[in-house]
Amino acid sequence: AQKITQTQPGMFVQEKEAVTLDCTYDTSDPSYGLFWYKQPSSGEMIFLIYQGSYDQQNATEGRYSLNFQKARKSANLVISASQLGDSAMYFCAMRGGLSGAGSYQLTFGKGTKLSVIP
Amino acid sequence: NAGVMQNPRHLVRRRGQEARLRCSPMKGHSHVYWYRQLPEEGLKFMVYLQKENIIDESGMPKERFSAEFPKEGPSILRIQQVVRGDSAAYFCASSSGGTSGNTIYFGEGSWLTVV
Repeated sequence: AQKITQTQPGMFVQEKEAVTLDCTYDTSDPSYGLFWYKQPSSGEMIFLIYQGSYDQQNATEGRYSLNFQKARKSANLVISASQLGDSAMYFCAMRGGLSGAGSYQLTFGKGTKLSVIP
Repeated sequence: NAGVMQNPRHLVRRRGQEARLRCSPMKGHSHVYWYRQLPEEGLKFMVYLQKENIIDESGMPKERFSAEFPKEGPSILRIQQVVRGDSAAYFCASSSGGTSGNTIYFGEGSWLTVV
């Protein structure tokens, strides 16, 4: 079974500062993918960044980067130069395995609510 | 906008009525998923479909819920005889493949309120 843990229910960050949102995972699959999604108050789920378990380098997408530490089973999201529009819920999720339910189902964490302070 | 399209965005139904939620996947995607989000929770998998086939419906309640993805037209999530506990956000997602390396893109969600 796959499990995602996000231990920070809420986080505050000053505008223009960097912030790290924690995510740890548990899986027995050697091949898996890790995702981060943003859910603003308007409700839509916005894909931010993806990291494959065999990727050699940490994923980056603009101001988003993923601090992937495979041995520790952590996939923390780093947002640099925070903006007011970054205030939202952030969900970590994973898919795992080459076949079976884990390969297509996303398992989500409970999310972290980020508030950016002007 | 070639993203995942869902409608209606908001739906209010009285107890006992039927709710139909529609989803058109991203262009080029043939894999469709439905997820449900209860208040203050992450998303939970309901069903996975490809054209004309239900691949996995293990996350869907056995009664009152059904899903289809016909050869032509959008995927439909149907909830019969709705109850208050069905009030939630229902998200459709799509991908180009069904393995762990394929990114899944979500629609904007359909918010069902049962009164």
